[in-house]
Amino acid sequence: GAVVSQHPSWVICKSGTSVKIECRSLDFQATTMFWYRQFPKQSLMLMATSNEGSKATYEQGVEKDKFLINHASLTLSTLTVTSAHPEDSSFYICSARDRDGYTFGSGTRLTVV
Amino acid sequence: RKEVEQDPGPFNVPEGATVAFNCTYSNSASQSFFWYRQDCRKEPKLLMSVYSSGNEDGRFTAQLNRASQYISLLIRDSKLSDSATYLCAVNSRGFQKLVFGTGTRLLVSP
Repeated sequence: GAVVSQHPSWVICKSGTSVKIECRSLDFQATTMFWYRQFPKQSLMLMATSNEGSKATYEQGVEKDKFLINHASLTLSTLTVTSAHPEDSSFYICSARDRDGYTFGSGTRLTVV
Repeated sequence: RKEVEQDPGPFNVPEGATVAFNCTYSNSASQSFFWYRQDCRKEPKLLMSVYSSGNEDGRFTAQLNRASQYISLLIRDSKLSDSATYLCAVNSRGFQKLVFGTGTRLLVSP
């Protein structure tokens, strides 16, 4: 089946630094990638939809200047958390639409200290 | 009102029990429906899609009620390994994004 590779699986960073998360579709082309965030004991909340070759679409309340999304190719989308703060600590996960439905990356656990 | 709502649980059941979860959605234009299983600190895994006529996969049965705008998941003969959080998800006609419910936590005990 379709595979989405997400890296890193976990990262600890200092407050004020930026962190980049990558998602690659390994055996299919993903023109659209979805980025979710999940806080403990809460559901996955869609942050933004990234479209290859165009600007991402952000959900209400998500700061586009803080969460930079780049989808430069059909197989790679990146999310950069800029000037991270402890409240940004969360589980970030990407998803791509494939032939059979939706495939998820394995997630990135971000801890900002 | 949230677009997709679930009872967060937890549902504590003994092995062998039958348990059912419901999920309501507010957007009448919702077109596709799914149940996902999520284990702690892992990504969600597709359990099954939900079709209008209802569908079954082994011990799992999913149903859709468009008139009342809810989907359900029935698990028969619960196993210890069924302990997880079950998320329902919907998307709307013309939109690709998948909207998740809060998830229902299931704990199956010996």
